[in-house]
Amino acid sequence: GAVVSQHPSWVICKSGTSVKIECRSLDFQATTMFWYRQFPKQSLMLMATSNEGSKATYEQGVEKDKFLINHASLTLSTLTVTSAHPEDSSFYICSARDWGERGEWQETQYFGPGTRLLVL
Amino acid sequence: SQQGEEDPQALSIQEGENATMNCSYKTSINNLQWYRQNSGRGLVHLILIRSNEREKHSGRLRVTLDTSKKSSSLLITASRAADTASYFCATDPNRDDKIIFGKGTRLHILP
Repeated sequence: GAVVSQHPSWVICKSGTSVKIECRSLDFQATTMFWYRQFPKQSLMLMATSNEGSKATYEQGVEKDKFLINHASLTLSTLTVTSAHPEDSSFYICSARDWGERGEWQETQYFGPGTRLLVL
Repeated sequence: SQQGEEDPQALSIQEGENATMNCSYKTSINNLQWYRQNSGRGLVHLILIRSNEREKHSGRLRVTLDTSKKSSSLLITASRAADTASYFCATDPNRDDKIIFGKGTRLHILP
């Protein structure tokens, strides 16, 4: 199956700093990737849709200037948490869909292993 | 916003027993998916059932879908300790690329 990786797997930073998280599709091209945030013992909340070569689409209530998304290539999307604060501490997960060998979107989304962010 | 609601929120059963989790959703869908998440890890796709399907099997997993009731169930037979995880249903309510997750059921298999 398709593999999605994330880097780093965890990060600790001081309040006010910016943190960049990478999401890569390892063996397929992903024109669209998705970023989720998950607080402890809660479900995944979609933050934004990352589109290769164009601006990301943010969900209601998600600050686009706070969470910068760049999808510069077909295999890489980055999420930058700018001026991070303790309330941004969370588990960030990305996902991607595979175009597939038969030239059609595969319905299954493949998820990365997640990045745990702790802001002190 | 969240589309799915799983119940129960938490479930503890003895190893070897069957575990059943339910998911209800609000709007029409193309498909419904179930995912598993081990503590602090990413999500693993378990099974996808399309809106025109009523039941699907994969190994020890059995998923049903009742579009008239807007509900789905996930049955894990002969549970094992390794099945301890959180299980989420996910739907595509807007019939676009986005999928929306339910709140999840935390399953704990007792040895």
